[in-house]
Amino acid sequence: DQQVKQNSPSLSVQEGRISILNCDYTNSMFDYFLWYKKYPAEGPTFLISISSIKDKNEDGRFTVFLNKSAKHLSLHIVPSQPGDSAVYFCAASAIGVPGNQFYFGTGTSLTVIP
Amino acid sequence: KAGVTQTPRYLIKTRGQQVTLSCSPISGHRSVSWYQQTPGQGLQFLFEYFSETQRNKGNFPGRFSGRQFSNSRSEMNVSTLELGDSALYLCASSETGLAGGSSGANVLTFGAGSRLTVL
Repeated sequence: DQQVKQNSPSLSVQEGRISILNCDYTNSMFDYFLWYKKYPAEGPTFLISISSIKDKNEDGRFTVFLNKSAKHLSLHIVPSQPGDSAVYFCAASAIGVPGNQFYFGTGTSLTVIP
Repeated sequence: KAGVTQTPRYLIKTRGQQVTLSCSPISGHRSVSWYQQTPGQGLQFLFEYFSETQRNKGNFPGRFSGRQFSNSRSEMNVSTLELGDSALYLCASSETGLAGGSSGANVLTFGAGSRLTVL
């Protein structure tokens, strides 16, 4: 039962343009969302997060939007750079779940074309 | 500050064998989680330890087990290996391991992983 879904396995974007990565979730108890970036042969690295009390969080070129009614979040990267080419995972955690468990999507592989 | 260290990075085992993977968290981090990553499945939660206590366990068979030591270092063990256990096993640590909430203290910091191949 995949509670966090990333329906686009891959995405290609021209350098300088906007990259939009999408994530949907099913559990209304999720209250904290994160995006991770993963390069080959490395562990995922934390990128940006958002609490359910907000609908937008911005950090430099990265902005995460949260639409609670649609149970949807997205990551915008502007402008996209070749170094952004990686696999991006969204993750969520829920109130009341014992321990620090995060639910991850299956990832979207982003390729930024120079 | 040193990151999360996982050993070994790569290992090959045969079916029926067992394997132990090790994880040293960031100094001061008391929560250690383990995830399995396989192609098309994303990261699947295995278990989480906090102050030597397992607080949560994912939907994996009993062949998968773990423990945490008083210095927060953690090990996970897989017994009677099956071909389907081939995966990247990722360890992550966080400061407090608070469930849910918007505290930055529970952001996971991952190690580079242990790539297990079962033949």
